[in-house]
Amino acid sequence: EPEVTQTPSHQVTQMGQEVILRCVPISNHLYFYWYRQILGQKVEFLVSFYNNEISEKSEIFDDQFSVERPDGSNFTLKIRSTKLEDSAMYFCASSLDPGRYTDTQYFGPGTRLTVL
Amino acid sequence: QQQVKQSPQSLIVQKGGIPIINCAYENTAFDYFPWYQQFPGKGPALLIAIRPDVSEKKEGRFTISFNKSAKQFSLHIMDSQPGDSATYFCAAKGGGNQFYFGTGTSLTVIP
Repeated sequence: EPEVTQTPSHQVTQMGQEVILRCVPISNHLYFYWYRQILGQKVEFLVSFYNNEISEKSEIFDDQFSVERPDGSNFTLKIRSTKLEDSAMYFCASSLDPGRYTDTQYFGPGTRLTVL
Repeated sequence: QQQVKQSPQSLIVQKGGIPIINCAYENTAFDYFPWYQQFPGKGPALLIAIRPDVSEKKEGRFTISFNKSAKQFSLHIMDSQPGDSATYFCAAKGGGNQFYFGTGTSLTVIP
């Protein structure tokens, strides 16, 4: 069964450093998402991406964040200058067509980001 | 602003019991309500989902009950097993691409 993959599984960085989290969505999916989950809390939407553009973003997704699809398979989330509060699990997800009632977002296993 | 409210925060049942997890929402534009199951160290995985035009959906041991007028929906797990021990998230979507997740319920099924 196709799955979303993410690398690395765990990233440790110093405050103020830039990090790039990588995702390979399911190959025929067209919509891509990033979510984050602070330890023990709910999953929060960050951004959705379609046709090389951001289609929606939450208030969490400020100027420190950016997303990119650098090639036909990868989807990345960049945090320019990490803060302690960015420590969380970051999930990538992909879906085929969110305009359909039954569209399902498939989640990757996540990248645990620890900012020291 | 919490778009989807979920309760309880944690739940412990004996094997064979029927845990029930409840969610409530306010936004009437929501039109798709999935439940996700998450094991430690893994991403959420879709378990079962319902649209507001039906009141109940059953898949295997998992059942969603949906009350459109009350804007509530719940997950029932029949004949629960220790392998069902996980965190369960309800979610809602409508009018856009993003899912709004509940705060999660940690379920423990005791053998």
